[in-house]
Amino acid sequence: QPVLTQPPTSSASPGESARLTCTLSSEIDVANYKVFWYQQRPGSPPRYLLYYHSESDRGQGSGVPSRFSGSKDSSANTAILLISGLQSDDEADYYCMIWPSNVLFGGGTKLTVL
Amino acid sequence: EVDLLESGGGLVQPGGSLRLSCAVSRFSFYDYAMAWVRQAPGKGLEWVSGITNSGANTYYADSVIHRFTISRDNSRNMVFLQMNSLTAEDTAVYFCAKLGSPSFFGAFDVWGQGTVVTVSS
Repeated sequence: QPVLTQPPTSSASPGESARLTCTLSSEIDVANYKVFWYQQRPGSPPRYLLYYHSESDRGQGSGVPSRFSGSKDSSANTAILLISGLQSDDEADYYCMIWPSNVLFGGGTKLTVL
Repeated sequence: EVDLLESGGGLVQPGGSLRLSCAVSRFSFYDYAMAWVRQAPGKGLEWVSGITNSGANTYYADSVIHRFTISRDNSRNMVFLQMNSLTAEDTAVYFCAKLGSPSFFGAFDVWGQGTVVTVSS
C-alpha cells in the first residue's frame, strides 16, 4: 500500500521561506504523478493550493499567490511545497495528495510561523 | 464563488446509519465530479468516496467499501453519502469537495465547511 510521508512539524520566521516535503514510498515514483497540495488553517476546511508534475505541467489554485510553488526531488522520491515570503497567516497544516489508483493523502505538516 | 453546504451529520450509535447531503450552488454542477473527504478528530485528511459528473462511476476507499454509498441528483444540485454499519472509527468531520473535471481525477478545488459525524453509544 503506497504511503506519502510528511514531517509532522516545520517552522520558519516571517519573511523567510518554508520548504515542506512529501516523500513517496518506494513502490511509487514521484516522477509519474501529479502532486496536489492543500492548506488547512485551524478551524477551516482545506484549501487547494496547487499541483506540480513537471515544469511544463503545473497549476495554481484560484487566487493562490505565486509565492506558493511546487517542485520535485526525484533522487529522494519527494515532492516539495515551497512557500516564500512567509506571513503569519501561512501558519496552517499542509497536505500533499496523489492518485496512485484512488486518492492518497499524506499525513500533513503543521507549519509554525515563528 | 462556489458554495458547498453539507448537512446530515450528528450523533449515531455504533451499527447505525446516517445520510449526509451536500447542496451545491453557483456552478454548473453537472460538469464536475464530486467527492467526500473526512477528518477524524486531531487527524489528517482521508478520502472516502467519489462520483463522476453523470453519476455513472463511483469510487470508495477500502475503509468504507460495502458500507457507504455515494450518489448525486443533478436535477437538485446535490450529492449524498449514505453511511451504514457505522463504527467509532467513522467519527470525523465529513467534507464535500468538488473536483475540477467531470472525471474522478485531479484537484479537489472547492470544499464545504464540513459536517460532524459522531459514532458513540
